[in-house]
Order: sequence, then C-alpha cells, then structure tokens
Amino acid sequence: DGGITQSPKYLFRKEGQNVTLSCEQNLNHDAMYWYRQDPGQGLRLIYYSQIVNDFQKGDIAEGYSVSREKKESFPLTVTSAQKNPTAFYLCASSPLTGGDYNEQFFGPGTRLTVL
Amino acid sequence: SQKIEQNSEALNIQEGKTATLTCNYTNYSPAYLQWYRQDPGRGPVFLLLIRENEKEKRKERLKVTFDTTLKQSLFHITASQPADSATYLCALDLGSGGSYIPTFGRGTSLIVHP
Repeated sequence: DGGITQSPKYLFRKEGQNVTLSCEQNLNHDAMYWYRQDPGQGLRLIYYSQIVNDFQKGDIAEGYSVSREKKESFPLTVTSAQKNPTAFYLCASSPLTGGDYNEQFFGPGTRLTVL
Repeated sequence: SQKIEQNSEALNIQEGKTATLTCNYTNYSPAYLQWYRQDPGRGPVFLLLIRENEKEKRKERLKVTFDTTLKQSLFHITASQPADSATYLCALDLGSGGSYIPTFGRGTSLIVHP
C-alpha cells in the first residue's frame, strides 16, 4: 500500500525538551511539507522540501527544524525554543509532476501535548 | 498577502439536500484552487482541483465552480448524506516561481442531519 505515515499518533513532552516527529512516504513524491493545525485554525506551513538535502522555511518556522536526507523521510524536530508547541502536526507530500502535481497527500497527523 | 475566507459557522442541512460551501480570496487570482475534506483527528483528503481557466469541475456528487471576477469558489455536494459530515478546506496556490505551496483556509464544518 502506498501512503504517508506519521508516528507517533500522540506525543507528550515536558517543557524544555526537544522532540522529533517522524514522517515517511513511499509514494516516490519529490515534495514534502509540515503543517501545524490549531483548533479552529487553518493549516499553517512550517517547512517544506522539494528535493533531497534542501528545504525552505514556511510561515511559522521559528522553533522548528527539519532534515531531508532521504526522499522518503522528512522528520520535524520541535525544539524548546518553540513557545507554544501543543498542536496537531500534519505531514504531506506531493509529486510536483503530472496532471495533479499540486495535490497534497496527508499523513494521519501527530498530536503533540506539552505538559 | 493572500487571504482566504471560509465561513466559520457550521453549515447544517438535511439529508438529500445540496450543500454549498464558499471560499473567497483577496488580492491576486490563484493558478488553481483545491478542496479537501478533513474528518476530526485525521489528515485532510484531496477532493478536487480547479484551474484558473476552468469555470466548473465535477466528480460524482461533487461540483466546484471558480469565478475569478468574484474571487470566489463554490463547492457543492448534491444529494448529501450524513457520511458527508466533515470539515471542508479550500486551498489556493499562485503557481508562480514553481513553489506549488498551497495556502489553506480555516475550513467550514458541514453537518448533514438524517
């Protein structure tokens, strides 16, 4: 089955700790994205990557870091510098080529709670 | 910067009726507009994409229109069912500079009553 997976589904963190959220896709998509969603809010872009070993900041990158060492993987680290990290985090990928190259495929999300 | 407006109030309709959701945007017209469905606690699922040179697109019970003069897209679900209850997000992309980064609206909740 092709798809995009995120782990864990729920994550609890103490204040001051860094935490890494996993995102893997086997769709052979070039682009991957991280979004944050807060209650009643739209999706806000944190980081995106269109090619291995390259990534760009989105609208709310402060307090987050990413890496793209492999095409299939795009982990997100929430650092202690992120002031309000409790949120629902969504990873997505898109092919960048083909008829619906803009279509985004989303993972199931990780709900992060800071205690 | 581009703003996207979707009705924040939930839309309540009876089963069998047509649901119509609105997405308005400001400033410049996007190269394309997308609609996604999101169920509680899950990631959005892509439904339809319409390009700036298309007036209307259909897929089964779904229909999307795109009016660049009004800066508005309408999303219709005909013969609605309780299973259609979800939040529907619209997303725009300028398509310029090869960015392919859609900007999402907040979404509108649809509740279909049996």
